[in-house]
Amino acid sequence: NAGVMQNPRHLVRRRGQEARLRCSPMKGHSHVYWYRQLPEEGLKFMVYLQKENIIDESGMPKERFSAEFPKEGPSILRIQQVVRGDSAAYFCASFDRTSYTFGSGTRLTVV
Amino acid sequence: GESVGLHLPTLSVQEGDNSIINCAYSNSASDYFIWYKQESGKGPQFIIDIRSNMDKRQGQRVTVLLNKTVKHLSLQIAATQPGDSAVYFCAENPAGNTPLVFGKGTRLSVIA
Repeated sequence: NAGVMQNPRHLVRRRGQEARLRCSPMKGHSHVYWYRQLPEEGLKFMVYLQKENIIDESGMPKERFSAEFPKEGPSILRIQQVVRGDSAAYFCASFDRTSYTFGSGTRLTVV
Repeated sequence: GESVGLHLPTLSVQEGDNSIINCAYSNSASDYFIWYKQESGKGPQFIIDIRSNMDKRQGQRVTVLLNKTVKHLSLQIAATQPGDSAVYFCAENPAGNTPLVFGKGTRLSVIA
């Protein structure tokens, strides 16, 4: 079991570009959570998805951010027209009723 | 000792001593709690969990204590080692599949 896989590990984007972050949950897990972590801070919930459904997006900014978890393939967190304030580590976790497992994260730097 | 810096609170302990990291949680309806360890540049790593019908749970060198009356959680690490140096987060699960809510975190620094 390869665990939760996130890619890329590091992503650099210029202001105004788009960032796409990918998360493949653990095998058999159908629930994915995305969190954002700023330096020296805790993880803040963004969005919770099941296959083909957004269950809770209360932590995700209404503009520029979107997420999907298609029937096939990884979950994608998409940030359009990135700004410097989007620079952070983005983690996803998959859940199987009993445990949450986190990926290693994608560190987004907006220059 | 323990101090509150500009950002994360920091706990410094001597190698071999026991460490106690505290956490206050917010939701009295939370029924599941987890402690995570996060090393620099890595994702949170599960350490130990506890359900609300328990007040103590032990793992290998770690113990979690839950006091529901005052909504307080603690992580005790016995015989702290340099490899324990990391940021530790508590997380609460309000119910079922709802998102985990993370605490602020405490940086543990082990002095060799």
